[in-house]
Amino acid sequence: EAQVTQNPRYLITVTGKKLTVTCSQNMNHEYMSWYRQDPGLGLRQIYYSMNVEVTDKGDVPEGYKVSRKEKRNFPLILESPSPNQTSLYFCASSSSAPMETQYFGPGTRLLVL
Amino acid sequence: GQQLNQSPQSMFIQEGEDVSMNCTSSSIFNTWLWYKQDPGEGPVLLIALYKAGELTSNGRLTAQFGITRKDSFLNISASIPSDVGIYFCAGLTNTGNQFYFGTGTSLTVIP
Repeated sequence: EAQVTQNPRYLITVTGKKLTVTCSQNMNHEYMSWYRQDPGLGLRQIYYSMNVEVTDKGDVPEGYKVSRKEKRNFPLILESPSPNQTSLYFCASSSSAPMETQYFGPGTRLLVL
Repeated sequence: GQQLNQSPQSMFIQEGEDVSMNCTSSSIFNTWLWYKQDPGEGPVLLIALYKAGELTSNGRLTAQFGITRKDSFLNISASIPSDVGIYFCAGLTNTGNQFYFGTGTSLTVIP
């Protein structure tokens, strides 16, 4: 089954404790992206990757890091989480052209205390 | 960052009624997309628009890419209970790499 998986689905952590949210797709997609969703603000793009070893900042990259060492994986790293990073995070992927259908993962709900 | 203003913010309608929502931007986009998000899930693409003036349908859904390239509209005809959810517009920048989403329209359909 074609899908985007994210782990963990739910996470409660404390300020400053490094964490990684994994994202994996099995569709051989080249484009992958991370978004955060906050009430009243819709989805905002954090980082995106056009292909392996190619990553670029989205609209709200501050406080986040990503890597794309393999085509299927695109982890989101929070080196020192802060409470304002409490949010619902989505990973998405699409084939070579970003305007093609983006498949979204199920979301990761993060609470930073 | 760029702002996509989506309206209305929420809608409560009777089953069978038609629905209209729109999205405006201060910037030009080359591609407009409409997504639907069900509770607890990620957004799912409904319609993609690639040319100014384009009118595209997907079942009971019809969307238009505004002539100015700064707006888009989504219409849902004869609404049914499963249309409930949050609808987002999204624009793809001129470089074709970065997405901006609207703030969403929450739709409630009353049976």
